[in-house]
Amino acid sequence: EVQLVESGGGLVQPGGSLRLSCAASGFTVSSNYMSWVRQAPGKGLEWVSVIYSGGSTYYADSVKGRFTISRDNSKNTLYLQMNSLRAEDTAVYYCAREGGVATNTNWGQGTLVTVSS
Amino acid sequence: QSALTQPASVSGSPGQSITISCTGTSSDVGGYNYVSWYQQHPGKAPKLMIYEVSNRPSGVSNRFSGSKSGNTASLTISGLQAEDEADYYCSSYTSSSFRVFGGGTKLTVL
Repeated sequence: EVQLVESGGGLVQPGGSLRLSCAASGFTVSSNYMSWVRQAPGKGLEWVSVIYSGGSTYYADSVKGRFTISRDNSKNTLYLQMNSLRAEDTAVYYCAREGGVATNTNWGQGTLVTVSS
Repeated sequence: QSALTQPASVSGSPGQSITISCTGTSSDVGGYNYVSWYQQHPGKAPKLMIYEVSNRPSGVSNRFSGSKSGNTASLTISGLQAEDEADYYCSSYTSSSFRVFGGGTKLTVL
């Protein structure tokens, strides 16, 4: 059974950093396209980043240059390093496995990131 | 990266059919058959309902169907049930290898 479990969320001050983790089971992270999607409180879904099985990475303009997606094959875990955080980055962050191109087949339960002083 | 356009809300009575539209451009919805739809109940993670425009994952009711014409994709739910009340989001692959979501549609079952 495919499972995704996010962790690492919390309260951080503006300008601070946070690293989110997404531990996967039931499949191999490195063999799949993996995405991060966020949802601000009371708002819609926003695509953040994707890493392809070959290692290519892509970012939404809103986070490019500040966020980095990566994976640890030995731990079968996906990461999102978030730097220079802003109030508008406050959201629940979901990791997802793309079972097909741009198809988020499996989702984690999400982890809340709050950027506030 | 502009969000795809969805109606903010739709409603229908039990047993009726409703359709939610999702309008993009030739650089996303119109250019690729990689449109997917997600259902999200309050406080829950999204759930995949339709992928590649019109395909249903295993376990999703055949009351859910998808289609596309030009730059607009549509999700139709037939035989509305109370449990269908949720937020629905469309998503598409884009020409920059990005992904883009719609703003979401709140479905109310009257």
